[in-house]
Amino acid sequence: DVKVTQSSRYLVKRTGEKVFLECVQDMDHENMFWYRQDPGLGLRLIYFSYDVKMKEKGDIPEGYSVSREKKERFSLILESASTNQTSMYLCASRIYLRTDSNQPQHFGDGTRLSIL
Amino acid sequence: AQKVTQAQTEISVVEKEDVTLDCVYETRDTTYYLFWYKQPPSGELVFLIRRNSFDEQNEISGRYSWNFQKSTSSFNFTITASQVVDSAVYFCALRSIIQGAQKLVFGQGTRLTINP
Repeated sequence: DVKVTQSSRYLVKRTGEKVFLECVQDMDHENMFWYRQDPGLGLRLIYFSYDVKMKEKGDIPEGYSVSREKKERFSLILESASTNQTSMYLCASRIYLRTDSNQPQHFGDGTRLSIL
Repeated sequence: AQKVTQAQTEISVVEKEDVTLDCVYETRDTTYYLFWYKQPPSGELVFLIRRNSFDEQNEISGRYSWNFQKSTSSFNFTITASQVVDSAVYFCALRSIIQGAQKLVFGQGTRLTINP
């Protein structure tokens, strides 16, 4: 089974702090993703990464950055946390197969982040 | 633009009733993929099913069934003889093979509550 692990289930930080959310997957997946989930808005893509050291902006990248130095780890960084970044953050990974591009994403349990 | 609409925000039924979750999508792409995910209270999104745009065959898996209708751009999900363990938030998602090929666009989600 695919295992996507997010370092914290709950996190409380203060406005202006630099916040790191970590995600690790154990299946050697090439693609990794960060989403935020808000009531009534579903999941929105923040950033994604095709492979190591590669990153692409998603739909709402403002206020965030990412790092993918190793294949198994994808970090989301809030450069200067603000209250409107209080949300549930979900990490996902996906295998890339040339012969089947329709592989599903596998998600972690999520990190509920509160910015005070 | 890619868009997924789940018009039912919340559904509540009594155990053993059948329930259908609606999903309507918009895309200009001729090739695309549709997914359903389940998010139980624990928070992790669990992959349920995928369907590509050139395969309109409906699918049944135990008590779950999916009805894909390209003519109405719908991909509805039915649970037969619902059980309390089916209580969760369900997300429908669209992935385009041409535009933003690595991105999933999610609907807002439908919160399903099965009462004993």
